[in-house]
Amino acid sequence: GAVVSQHPSWVICKSGTSVKIECRSLDFQATTMFWYRQFPKQSLMLMATSNEGSKATYEQGVEKDKFLINHASLTLSTLTVTSAHPEDSSFYICSAPFGSGRVPEQYFGPGTRLTVT
Amino acid sequence: AQRVTQPEKLLSVFKGAPVELKCNYSYSGSPELFWYVQYSRQRLQLLLRHISRESIKGFTADLNKGETSFHLKKPFAQEEDSAMYYCAPRPGGGSQGNLIFGKGTKLSVKP
Repeated sequence: GAVVSQHPSWVICKSGTSVKIECRSLDFQATTMFWYRQFPKQSLMLMATSNEGSKATYEQGVEKDKFLINHASLTLSTLTVTSAHPEDSSFYICSAPFGSGRVPEQYFGPGTRLTVT
Repeated sequence: AQRVTQPEKLLSVFKGAPVELKCNYSYSGSPELFWYVQYSRQRLQLLLRHISRESIKGFTADLNKGETSFHLKKPFAQEEDSAMYYCAPRPGGGSQGNLIFGKGTKLSVKP
């Protein structure tokens, strides 16, 4: 089956610094990847759609200058949280679609826990 | 407004009892519907999708367009079914499958 990895799995940073999170499709190519955010004991909220070779599409209310997304290759998308603040502390999860047919299955990464102090 | 509702935050049953996790959606058009499961300390994974009409791990889900529901059912719950379950419609259109997640229901199956 398809595997999606994320790096790092856990990061602590100081307020005001930037943090980059990587999402990789290990054994398949993904022209599109999705970034989600999950607060403790809450559901996943779609943040943005990462498109290989073009600009990301952000969901309403998500600051694109705050959460920079770069989809540089068919197997890598990065999410950079710029000038992080404690309220950005959360669990960030990416997914990528894989499979034939009209409705590809979404494969999820293990997530990255960001703590901003 | 487009919305997916999972009314129960927590559902606790005894082993061997039937279980039903409710999901109602409010979307224009014909969304595709999925159930995802997240076991403790594991990543999200697909449980089943309505277009497949499949049964996975004994779970089934029937799409009821009249009631706009996609409830997940299992006749005899097992302890290993304890997990978080998310109902996730995929709004119609597009080909890459972004999902909108419900708030999730935590299923606890007691011995």
